[in-house]
Amino acid sequence: GQQLNQSPQSMFIQEGEDVSMNCTSSSIFNTWLWYKQDPGEGPVLLIALYKAGELTSNGRLTAQFGITRKDSFLNISASIPSDVGIYFCAGDNAGKSTFGDGTTLTVKP
Amino acid sequence: KAGVTQTPRYLIKTRGQQVTLSCSPISGHRSVSWYQQTPGQGLQFLFEYFSETQRNKGNFPGRFSGRQFSNSRSEMNVSTLELGDSALYLCASSPLGGGGSYNEQFFGPGTRLTVL
Repeated sequence: GQQLNQSPQSMFIQEGEDVSMNCTSSSIFNTWLWYKQDPGEGPVLLIALYKAGELTSNGRLTAQFGITRKDSFLNISASIPSDVGIYFCAGDNAGKSTFGDGTTLTVKP
Repeated sequence: KAGVTQTPRYLIKTRGQQVTLSCSPISGHRSVSWYQQTPGQGLQFLFEYFSETQRNKGNFPGRFSGRQFSNSRSEMNVSTLELGDSALYLCASSPLGGGGSYNEQFFGPGTRLTVL
């Protein structure tokens, strides 16, 4: 079945630093999605990418849909304490999503 | 606008029992997707319902089933519960689903199911 490799598994950074995480797959996806999940809550969509090569920003977040359709990355600039949480990537084909295992981000003030 | 609501929030069952979980989508949203989240397997897609029809299905056994009503509310049912079914069950609603309206997709807080 389809699998996503998300890395890194965890990150410990200082407030103000930039963060980068990525997902790779052996399968092609038509859509790439990035979510953030806080404890006790459902995931929240951060960025949706619909086109190969697409680069999209949402505030301090920037994500790209890889040209091969098999990978995506998420960058967070100038991290702040509320960025703490688990970030998930997902590759999607017509509504059927496959998720990465998540990147746990810890931000030290 | 009210968000996605899931009931109950917590549930404890024993092996062999069955369980029904409910998801009420955001008003006007016609697509409801269900997901299972466990520490071991992570987030996995269960199925998607749109206009009372199952449109997509993940790789779960037939013990996992669902339905959607005319008001877009959805239920999922797990029969003959196993210990491994202990998980957070999440639903998400979006206007059209099918991979086309993720910018308007919202998750509920989930139902925490414990199977003893």
